[in-house]
Amino acid sequence: GDSVTQMEGPVTLSEEAFLTINCTYTATGYPSLFWYVQYPGEGLQLLLKATKADDKGSNKGFEATYRKETTSFHLEKGSVQVSDSAVYFCALSGGETSGSRLTFGEGTQLTVNP
Amino acid sequence: DAGITQSPRHKVTETGTPVTLRCHQTENHRYMYWYRQDPGHGLRLIHYSYGVKDTDKGEVSDGYSVSRSKTEDFLLTLESATSSQTSVYFCAISEAGVTAQYFGPGTRLLVL
Repeated sequence: GDSVTQMEGPVTLSEEAFLTINCTYTATGYPSLFWYVQYPGEGLQLLLKATKADDKGSNKGFEATYRKETTSFHLEKGSVQVSDSAVYFCALSGGETSGSRLTFGEGTQLTVNP
Repeated sequence: DAGITQSPRHKVTETGTPVTLRCHQTENHRYMYWYRQDPGHGLRLIHYSYGVKDTDKGEVSDGYSVSRSKTEDFLLTLESATSSQTSVYFCAISEAGVTAQYFGPGTRLLVL
């Protein structure tokens, strides 16, 4: 079935450091890919999305490119801030197995220190 | 932000009692979902709905039932709550099955 694998956390960075959180997927068909962010005590917020190969999703300085050849959707940000501290989830839907369901990765805890 | 509310936001109950959680949306989206989030397990789908009175099971549906009698409301019922159902429950909505899902603020449920 469809699956999503994220790099293991937690990740700790200093403010203004470069961020990469790796995400790879396994799916048949043509899935859409998403990154969600969850701040402490809150629900998940959609951060960005990409619906087809080579699409780049971007929002709030974060970017991710849908790479079908490497089945990846890595999240990047050039300069992180303390306020970016949160848990980040990679997810997919629309694969032949997942259909209308979201398949999530396990999440990556990011802590940014001043 | 998508118009999604969940009620109650916090609940403490005793083992064996029935519990109903409500999700309400103002976006007129067709799809609605219930997830639970537990440490070490990430988010797991309980049930979802693809239209009024149309529902299907997710990966952890045992002990839960759902109902959707109108587009805006999706109810999750724990028929007889157990301590293993202590969790944070999230509702989500989407316009179509493969589009982005938008999440509510969550309900923290403690079963004693």
